[in-house]
Amino acid sequence: RKEVEQDPGPFNVPEGATVAFNCTYSNSASQSFFWYRQDCRKEPKLLMSVYSSGNEDGRFTAQLNRASQYISLLIRDSKLSDSATYLCVVNAQFYFGTGTSLTVIP
Amino acid sequence: GAVVSQHPSRVICKSGTSVKIECRSLDFQATTMFWYRQFPKQSLMLMATSNEGSKATYEQGVEKDKFLINHASLTLSTLTVTSAHPEDSSFYICSARPWDIGRYEQYFGPGTRLTVT
Repeated sequence: RKEVEQDPGPFNVPEGATVAFNCTYSNSASQSFFWYRQDCRKEPKLLMSVYSSGNEDGRFTAQLNRASQYISLLIRDSKLSDSATYLCVVNAQFYFGTGTSLTVIP
Repeated sequence: GAVVSQHPSRVICKSGTSVKIECRSLDFQATTMFWYRQFPKQSLMLMATSNEGSKATYEQGVEKDKFLINHASLTLSTLTVTSAHPEDSSFYICSARPWDIGRYEQYFGPGTRLTVT
């Protein structure tokens, strides 16, 4: 079983839509969780950390569900510029999920 | 803040030669740096974790004698791909984690695209 699993998508959503991604992890002792976005042929950039109580940054909301061992990312009011691959990262060793491809359609 | 540079950004080399890639944290100190490789349309695969002043920890399946890692200072780690072969062609990305206690996020360099002919 992989350390971290994501639905690779692709997710094609219209502008203004709300979209959510989940990412499951296998190690129940995991302590650190992050969402990164990666644009084509570029390095990943930190989008947000995921805290136990959930956290929000503008249109982006991240949540952690320890009981079911998954993290989620919610994007509201999708913009064209949100089109990218979203990677979840779990634990200090930074095992990446396979990434979820999002395309926002005008 | 939290800028990581990587050099070179692109390299083409002949089969059998060695290539060195540098990763620098420009505005912070990093006790730990990570090296990843990424094939087209795939996620990043962790190759090794590099700690300043000690030997790198390699992931299963990564040959330590082929991918030499040196983390000589708190701001510099190098990856040398020895005797490169075409199958080593990939996008190599480093990242660095800040020294500060309790900070687990990491910041990525822009990557090095290696092509072995």
